[in-house]
Amino acid sequence: QKEVEQDPGPLSVPEGAIVSLNCTYSNSAFQYFMWYRQYSRKGPELLMYTYSSGNKEDGRFTAQVDKSSKYISLFIRDSQPSDSATYLCAMSRRTGGGNKLTFGTGTQLKVEL
Amino acid sequence: KAGVTQTPRYLIKTRGQQVTLSCSPISGHRSVSWYQQTPGQGLQFLFEYFSETQRNKGNFPGRFSGRQFSNSRSEMNVSTLELGDSALYLCASSPVRSQETQYFGPGTRLLVL
Repeated sequence: QKEVEQDPGPLSVPEGAIVSLNCTYSNSAFQYFMWYRQYSRKGPELLMYTYSSGNKEDGRFTAQVDKSSKYISLFIRDSQPSDSATYLCAMSRRTGGGNKLTFGTGTQLKVEL
Repeated sequence: KAGVTQTPRYLIKTRGQQVTLSCSPISGHRSVSWYQQTPGQGLQFLFEYFSETQRNKGNFPGRFSGRQFSNSRSEMNVSTLELGDSALYLCASSPVRSQETQYFGPGTRLLVL
């Protein structure tokens, strides 16, 4: 079983819809939770970063972390065609003074006009 | 600030050869991590360097190695290439004050024939 599970999609929504992306994890030692967006043939771009449980909002994006359920979510409001990309969740815990990110497999999102 | 840069962007090699990839982190970042991304396995952590020292290592064979220079630039080397090494190799750098957040470069796409 993978440490981080993420539905690969693809997920197709109409423009303006609210998108919900989710990941579950099994390692309770994870402390830091990130969401990355990756366009085709590009490197991942950091979207959101949260520490421990709670919500964080940045513009149209809201990240939620529920450590008791080992479940994290990313919500995208008023989705746009430019949001079409692969969304990767990532988690980490401090090891040896540094950090190693463990990624989900990514969810492919398509926002249609 | 300039982002993470990686060279070369594309590379074609044959089995048995070796390859060296280069990464220049964001100015002021001292931590550099390397990841391999493939369609089947997703993003997998290779290793992390901080102040020229390897701090963390993933589960890859010894054919994969890296180093970091005093200016924080990093290289990774893969010896005796195998077909399965074909992948996108991503480098990420982190600021000292927020080492959990990693910023990725565009990657080097390696094709092994």
